[in-house]
Amino acid sequence: DTEVTQTPKHLVMGMTNKKSLKCEQHMGHRAMYWYKQKAKKPPELMFVYSYEKLSINESVPSRFSPECPNSSLLNLHLHALQPEDSALYLCASSQEPAQETQYFGPGTRLLVL
Amino acid sequence: GENVEQHPSTLSVQEGDSAVIKCTYSDSASNYFPWYKQELGKRPQLIIDIRSNVGEKKDQRIAVTLNKTAKHFSLHITETQPEDSAVYFCAARAGTASKLTFGTGTRLQVTL
Repeated sequence: DTEVTQTPKHLVMGMTNKKSLKCEQHMGHRAMYWYKQKAKKPPELMFVYSYEKLSINESVPSRFSPECPNSSLLNLHLHALQPEDSALYLCASSQEPAQETQYFGPGTRLLVL
Repeated sequence: GENVEQHPSTLSVQEGDSAVIKCTYSDSASNYFPWYKQELGKRPQLIIDIRSNVGEKKDQRIAVTLNKTAKHFSLHITETQPEDSAVYFCAARAGTASKLTFGTGTRLQVTL
């Protein structure tokens, strides 16, 4: 398996909802990433997990809560989001934390009403 | 931190022509420079990358050049085809950091 997969593909949620985004890879990669991408903008790094430990948090609001249950899975828990959080959320992975090539998943398109 | 600038923001070329996209970076410690292609509604896909110990790299119709002294790198696409139409992002990574810093993107339109 040479792909990063993400579920769901689309998500609509209200500002009081709690939801989770899921990311999975079976390439044996030890680094996993969450990015946020607004329309017509580049991906913006949110979090980096290195060997299942959070290594980088780019000052992301606490309404976004990442979790890495094991080396193949990465979750992003969402709670009390704002409409401006609507975006494409991309997961990526790389062989090692400082290994250059990052492979992206297809993303979850999130709409917050 | 690293800052990556990318030009042009939009580029329209006729099929068969060449396209060039340029990026500059600020951190002299940056040593890895990937290029991603993102089609509408799709994931960013790595198309080519270059490391700081190499000046040029080519893969079929795509090439990347790096000038470390001037801190800029460029993507060259020859014999463009309609399927090359997409948004292209350059990026830079410094040293042993995990973080990629992306340029602002170039929307390439290849017309028939």
